[in-house]
Amino acid sequence: AQSVTQLDSHVSVSEGTPVLLRCNYSSSYSPSLFWYVQHPNKGLQLLLKYTSAATLVKGINGFEAEFKKSETSFHLTKPSAHMSDAAEYFCVVSDKGEYGNKLVFGAGTILRVKS
Amino acid sequence: DTGVSQDPRHKITKRGQNVTFRCDPISEHNRLYWYRQTLGQGPEFLTYFQNEAQLEKSRLLSDRFSAERPKGSFSTLEIQRTEQGDSAMYLCASSLTSLHRGNTEAFFGQGTRLTVV
Repeated sequence: AQSVTQLDSHVSVSEGTPVLLRCNYSSSYSPSLFWYVQHPNKGLQLLLKYTSAATLVKGINGFEAEFKKSETSFHLTKPSAHMSDAAEYFCVVSDKGEYGNKLVFGAGTILRVKS
Repeated sequence: DTGVSQDPRHKITKRGQNVTFRCDPISEHNRLYWYRQTLGQGPEFLTYFQNEAQLEKSRLLSDRFSAERPKGSFSTLEIQRTEQGDSAMYLCASSLTSLHRGNTEAFFGQGTRLTVV
């Protein structure tokens, strides 16, 4: 069975400092992993995805994530936070299976960026 | 606009009434999902389709919930005898999957916000 744990429900950083949002997953098969962002009153937008190619994945807006199988982690990072990064972030896992299994969301991490 | 479209965007209904939501996925996407999201929570899986076949339905869903995807294109989600606890944002997403390659990214619609009074 697949599951996702986002280790922090809230993260607060100062503008210009690094961002780290932590995610651990459980998967029976080789997983696909995603990070989505949701700004207030907006829809879910894909930030980046891992689907068994390079383990370091680059996404939009300067975000990246590293797939570490030995640690079953897929942490999201950004070198320098911007005020516009304030939002809720969701880590998502999907077992590959035959055609790919359902998407399972973590509980989310709310990122606050202080000026 | 070629994104995922959901209709209506907002629905207010009285307890006990039936409601139906529609989702039009991105053209040629063979996978379609329904999720429910309440305030402060991550999206909760409801059901998903591969083409017209419903592959899984959450055990959390009561028999009051039903979904269809006739002809593998648009989908409808119906809630019968609505309860106040059904109030939530209902999200639809679509993606393109292929044999042994699994999921590509899912694209989400703006959602339908249901309020049961």
